[in-house]
Amino acid sequence: DAGITQSPRHKVTETGTPVTLRCHQTENHRYMYWYRQDPGHGLRLIHYSYGVKDTDKGEVSDGYSVSRSKTEDFLLTLESATSSQTSVYFCATGSRGEAYNEQFFGPGTRLTVL
Amino acid sequence: QKEVEQNSGPLSVPEGAIASLNCTYSDRVSQSFFWYRQYSGKSPELIMSIYSNGDKEDGRFTAQLNKASQYVSLLIRDSQPSDSATYLCAVGGWGGSNYKLTFGKGTLLTVNP
Repeated sequence: DAGITQSPRHKVTETGTPVTLRCHQTENHRYMYWYRQDPGHGLRLIHYSYGVKDTDKGEVSDGYSVSRSKTEDFLLTLESATSSQTSVYFCATGSRGEAYNEQFFGPGTRLTVL
Repeated sequence: QKEVEQNSGPLSVPEGAIASLNCTYSDRVSQSFFWYRQYSGKSPELIMSIYSNGDKEDGRFTAQLNKASQYVSLLIRDSQPSDSATYLCAVGGWGGSNYKLTFGKGTLLTVNP
């Protein structure tokens, strides 16, 4: 398994505040992903990265931004948190972008926006 | 919009039985298929990958892929209570989007002692 950590693991914040979640990996994987998981919706891709400084939007990117300045770190920022962004956020990494695009998940961050 | 469909369950089987989990996908050019297991409150864990038509076995798990029918399944033999979890089917794209996965909403499996 990839060594993937996420911080913080739990966070409670108020509507309108900015929030940054961090994903750190030790496996030198090229690809990194941010998902959110909500009841009734499953896992949905927010943003992903295919290399340092190379990022793109997923299916639910509104209200989120990302940055990747180093291979090992992928940051997700909620620019102005809303209650609809209360969710569990998972980071994932993948080593191969060709046919074998397995992804490995971090432990998750539970975010509550009051 | 690519779609991956799974029965939400719950699927309940007795200990020692075979559990059969099914998944269909909408994008005909999909090339990679995965099963993840997710225990309550935990993150998804990759348990099986399959890329070619047919069966792939790993211990008590068998993944089956039929691209013509756009169908992938997971069989769990000799089910154990520790197999009780939500199972997520994920499908990978082709070409420029092949490093993204689309996930189904998952099937909750309960194995009764």
